[in-house]
Order: sequence, then structure tokens, then C-alpha cells
Amino acid sequence: DAGVTQSPTHLIKTRGQQVTLRCSPKSGHDTVSWYQQALGQGPQFIFQYYEEEERQRGNFPDRFSGHQFPNYSSELNVNALLLGDSALYLCASSWDRYEQYFGPGTRLTVT
Amino acid sequence: AQTVTQSQPEMSVQEAETVTLSCTYDTSESDYYLFWYKQPPSRQMILVIRQEAYKQQNATENRFSVNFQKAAKSFSLKISDSQLGDAAMYFCAYANPGGNEKLTFGTGTRLTIIP
Repeated sequence: DAGVTQSPTHLIKTRGQQVTLRCSPKSGHDTVSWYQQALGQGPQFIFQYYEEEERQRGNFPDRFSGHQFPNYSSELNVNALLLGDSALYLCASSWDRYEQYFGPGTRLTVT
Repeated sequence: AQTVTQSQPEMSVQEAETVTLSCTYDTSESDYYLFWYKQPPSRQMILVIRQEAYKQQNATENRFSVNFQKAAKSFSLKISDSQLGDAAMYFCAYANPGGNEKLTFGTGTRLTIIP
């Protein structure tokens, strides 16, 4: 059984560009959460998707948007990239509401 | 808003010894969940142990155990018989109940195992 997968592993973008990160949840999981982890910090909650709807959102600007597909996979989109968006982006999936399984993350570098 | 504080940026322990990582949190809720996650250099966040606030008994998973002091809002992780593979960043995290799975993390403690 594959765990949570994320693509790509690494990504380098230029300021002002747009980026899309992808996540496939663990088999049987229907909820996907996204977190941003800046260097040397703990992960910060971006938003969570359940039944293709954004269920909750953290303190992130509208430049951060997402989507969940019928197969429960999810995308995170970031528009108008800033240098400060450079971080590790983690996807987590769950079914039991309190046990989240994390993917290996996507390292985004904005130059 | 809930906050989680880890006051030890770095800790080290001799292999086979015991180490305790500290975590405090702030919440006005009476029911919630607490977690310890491990993040090795591979970056993947791995759940180590979880504690439900309504349970009096401290959670234990093999060499890992917690000391949960609800009144003091303290949640420490004890690692017994430390192994080289335990070297990682350890994050304490909090989650509210009520259909909300959002995790609030601390800033982490880097654990080094000395052979």
C-alpha cells in the first residue's frame, strides 16, 4: 500500500511565477491537508480539503489556492510567487480525523 | 488561538541512554489531542505517539512514552534506550476535536544521538 505521495520533489521558480504542487493521499483516506514548513520552523497549516471542498483555511493569502479531485488527490496552487514562499510544502492525508499521514514534501525555491 | 512551545532547540544523548523532550501548549479547550512527530533528514513527518486529553493514562509506544500533565499544559516525550535511528527533528503538535484536523506545531527540537 503506497503512502502519501507528492510531486515534484524539488522545484525552482522565479518571483512572480505560478506553481502547482500535487498530492496523492494514502489509500482509503478522503481528507487532504497542506502545510508550509519554512527552514528551521514547524509546519504551518495552509488549508484542508474534504469532499472536494475547502473545509478550513489557515492564515495564508488568497495567492494560495487548492483543489481536491473525485479520487481524493489534491493540488496546491501558488500565484505571484514571492521569495518568502520558498519552503517545504507538506501534504497530509487522513481518514481517522486525528491521525494524519504525511508525504515526503515538495521543496520549492523561489529566486 | 492555540499555541505550542518547544523550548529546547537542540538536545543530545548518548546511545542507549534516555532523553526527554519538552513541550508546553496553550488552549482554552478541555478536549483535544497532542502528538509527537519525528522528521528525519528524509523530510517525511512520521507520527511517533499521540495522546487524547480525556485519557488519564500516559501513552506509550515501545521505547517512546509521554508525560502528559493536563493542568500544567505540559506534554513531554521520553525516549528510552536511544538508537542512532532516533536522530531527527521532533515536533510537538496540537489538534482540536470537533471535526477539525488542523495541526498546530511547535518549532521543533533537533535530537542528536552520540555513538
